[in-house]
Amino acid sequence: EAGVAQSPRYKIIEKRQSVAFWCNPISGHATLYWYQQILGQGPKLLIQFQNNGVVDDSQLPKDRFSAERLKGVDSTLKIQPAKLEDSAVYLCASSASYNEQFFGPGTRLTVL
Amino acid sequence: EDQVTQSPEALRLQEGESSSLNCSYTVSGLRGLFWYRQDPGKGPEFLFTLYSAGEEKEKERLKATLTKKESFLHITAPKPEDSATYLCAVDAEGSNYKLTFGKGTLLTVNP
Repeated sequence: EAGVAQSPRYKIIEKRQSVAFWCNPISGHATLYWYQQILGQGPKLLIQFQNNGVVDDSQLPKDRFSAERLKGVDSTLKIQPAKLEDSAVYLCASSASYNEQFFGPGTRLTVL
Repeated sequence: EDQVTQSPEALRLQEGESSSLNCSYTVSGLRGLFWYRQDPGKGPEFLFTLYSAGEEKEKERLKATLTKKESFLHITAPKPEDSATYLCAVDAEGSNYKLTFGKGTLLTVNP
């Protein structure tokens, strides 16, 4: 079974630039999550989709972050404009059931 | 607000030296407590889910237990390949199945 795919794996940008991350969940998984993991911290949920609808985006900084999940499959997370404090690993996860979330390898973002 | 505190922040063991990691939590109502393992440069990997006080689950050298206020991850006779960061997360009732993670415990097992 193929895992959760994410790209790019690494991205370096200047502050105030924009950046986008892509996630392809495990086939058939209805729920998709985007997390932000700052160095030395646990993952923090940014947004949760059920199929192509948003279930929870209470911790998404909506003035600069946006996410979409077209057709209930792939998803993109965008930051515009980026700030220094956005430097982190962005993790995508998917699940078919409540019990287990499968995580991708993450995208490491460095904002200079 | 749901809170998860893991201790210690880092733990260094000799191969074969058993120990425990702690996860204490504060939630309005616990629906599930999750343990994940995270290797450097990778996403977290699911280990266990515990649902009620008194529940225990085992996998190879790992055993997770749950009380009403905390969970322990016991590591018996660890090997160097058990070195990783271990993350604890809780799902609270009414949270739309949103996980709140602790900061993790970095475990290093020396040969």
